[in-house]
Amino acid sequence: DSGVTQTPKHLITATGQRVTLRCSPRSGDLSVYWYQQSLDQGLQFLIQYYNGEERAKGNILERFSAQQFPDLHSELNLSSLELGDSALYFCASSPRVAAGELFFGEGSRLTVL
Amino acid sequence: QQQVKQSPQSLIVQKGGISIINCAYENTAFDYFPWYQQFPGKGPALLIAIRPDVSEKKEGRFTISFNKSAKQFSLHIMDSQPGDSATYFCAASMQTGANNLFFGTGTRLTVIP
Repeated sequence: DSGVTQTPKHLITATGQRVTLRCSPRSGDLSVYWYQQSLDQGLQFLIQYYNGEERAKGNILERFSAQQFPDLHSELNLSSLELGDSALYFCASSPRVAAGELFFGEGSRLTVL
Repeated sequence: QQQVKQSPQSLIVQKGGISIINCAYENTAFDYFPWYQQFPGKGPALLIAIRPDVSEKKEGRFTISFNKSAKQFSLHIMDSQPGDSATYFCAASMQTGANNLFFGTGTRLTVIP
């Protein structure tokens, strides 16, 4: 158990809908990362927050947004969903701002029908 | 653009054999190179990591070999066991500046009893 909690574990929705994925980092970790994992693209970095502030941005679509709250949990919002958004979404946390060892949750599997 | 290129995509090894996974990178600013292990239904977990000031790091049956001039690094799993069957990801990051961890596309290792 990494100590990172992600909810929901599975989510099935329709195209055009909006969903929110939630992540609670390990106790004391200030950095939260979001990754998208699909079969053909591996782990794609989406965005990083450190202590409430956005610190790095990857290939995150404009339809996606994220935030980190004062209690350090983070949410990833995915809107106007398309079939291609179906993937595993991982949250990871780290105690530092630099990307050293990341502790991953078990992921949220999103299926868009 | 894939910052870290990984091969092979899949690997089948007999129990007791040596598993070798290779990665290459272009960005010479990378200074931290971890390997992550992912079992089905779980998030990736750090297996072993190396910094460019050493050419090899060994932890138990797992060894990272690092060639700075060639911008390549590899994971060797000695005496491979069926329990090692998992997907392995190499990654790279900069400890200053950009904070994200760039992952390779993964290698699915199957160790046959």
